[in-house]
Amino acid sequence: ETGVTQSPTHLIKTRGQQVTLRCSSQSGHNTVSWYQQALGQGPQFIFQYYREEENGRGNFPPRFSGLQFPNYSSELNVNALELDDSALYLCASSLAGYATNEKLFFGSGTQLSVL
Amino acid sequence: GENVEQHPSTLSVQEGDSAVIKCTYSDSASNYFPWYKQELGKRPQLIIDIRSNVGEKKDQRIAVTLNKTAKHFSLHITETQPEDSAVYFCAAGEIYNQGGKLIFGQGTELSVKP
Repeated sequence: ETGVTQSPTHLIKTRGQQVTLRCSSQSGHNTVSWYQQALGQGPQFIFQYYREEENGRGNFPPRFSGLQFPNYSSELNVNALELDDSALYLCASSLAGYATNEKLFFGSGTQLSVL
Repeated sequence: GENVEQHPSTLSVQEGDSAVIKCTYSDSASNYFPWYKQELGKRPQLIIDIRSNVGEKKDQRIAVTLNKTAKHFSLHITETQPEDSAVYFCAAGEIYNQGGKLIFGQGTELSVKP
């Protein structure tokens, strides 16, 4: 519908493990942002990528890392998982051809549970 | 630090009534204010947004107003319908900020009773 696809939809991991979440947006959407949404909270900014470079980062530790590829897909990697990492992880891309927060369209998210 | 406060956290109205959700932001550099609707188990959907050079914007039953001096902005939904029931999030940020982030409020759960 919005052209932003995330996989997997659900994931269960144990504390200390590593996880990779994936996002695919439409051609031309060269800004991608990742957000973490804890239950009952608003989304919190993790980082943004523009033309394969990190464009900004929120208050998340270095064990949260990302990549953006030339085909506009993106990955979020989380190392050394902690229980508090359990959340819905949202990827968002912009229709604009420049680094922006305007008109972000979100994917359906990956629900991560850390046991 | 940067913060967006959103009120109320829950709102219950009768079908056909109006609903108003209010947000306050702290960062004076913010110049972009979107509103998102999130139904249970679904992705946030952009329903309306406003730039700081505009005081009000309307789209059918939805309107947003902005008071830059007071750092307040509000969402107004008229003639509410049961399908308006969802969690609504306000957000604030800079359109072209190199930092790239939107700050979201805590959300308002709107319930429209038939």
